[in-house]
Amino acid sequence: EDQVTQSPEALRLQEGESSSLNCSYTVSGLRGLFWYRQDPGKGPEFLFTLYSAGEEKEKERLKATLTKKESFLHITAPKPEDSATYLCAVQGPRGAGSYQLTFGKGTKLSVIP
Amino acid sequence: EPEVTQTPSHQVTQMGQEVILRCVPISNHLYFYWYRQILGQKVEFLVSFYNNEISEKSEIFDDQFSVERPDGSNFTLKIRSTKLEDSAMYFCATGTGGEKLFFGSGTQLSVL
Repeated sequence: EDQVTQSPEALRLQEGESSSLNCSYTVSGLRGLFWYRQDPGKGPEFLFTLYSAGEEKEKERLKATLTKKESFLHITAPKPEDSATYLCAVQGPRGAGSYQLTFGKGTKLSVIP
Repeated sequence: EPEVTQTPSHQVTQMGQEVILRCVPISNHLYFYWYRQILGQKVEFLVSFYNNEISEKSEIFDDQFSVERPDGSNFTLKIRSTKLEDSAMYFCATGTGGEKLFFGSGTQLSVL
């Protein structure tokens, strides 16, 4: 059974204070690791997909990295608008076009001005 | 940017009643999914739908649940004989088969 554990559950940062969120996973045959952002009352919004250990992707102040056991979402000089819950999800071996994702519980990030 | 639209945004129903949740996918998307999130819990996969049939379903998706695309546009989730534990936020997601899934804003279902 695929498992995803995210830490910390909640994180408060001052504006400009960089930090990292962790996602540990167990999956038999990783097809992809996904990061989503979820704002209150909204559905998850796609950020990144990582496919293999050593891969990195960046978007504005966010950078995602992947190892064989975990992924990190690095947030550099965050702004209040980065406040959200960040979700990690894994996709195990499935048929083509299948997106049965297993999600973690998320890390709720609050950036204080 | 195109959006996945879900209606209603909130649904309150009595235990044992049937509910239908509706989703309008992005126009060129062919893959459709339902996920749910119980308050304070993880987002959980329910079912995937492609080419007018279910391609995968989770253990949660038992005979109480059904999906269809009745008119070629709307994608619906029907829950027969709702239970208290069905109370959750239900998300529709759609995609082209590539890596990016687009989620709707969800329907908050409350079963009393």
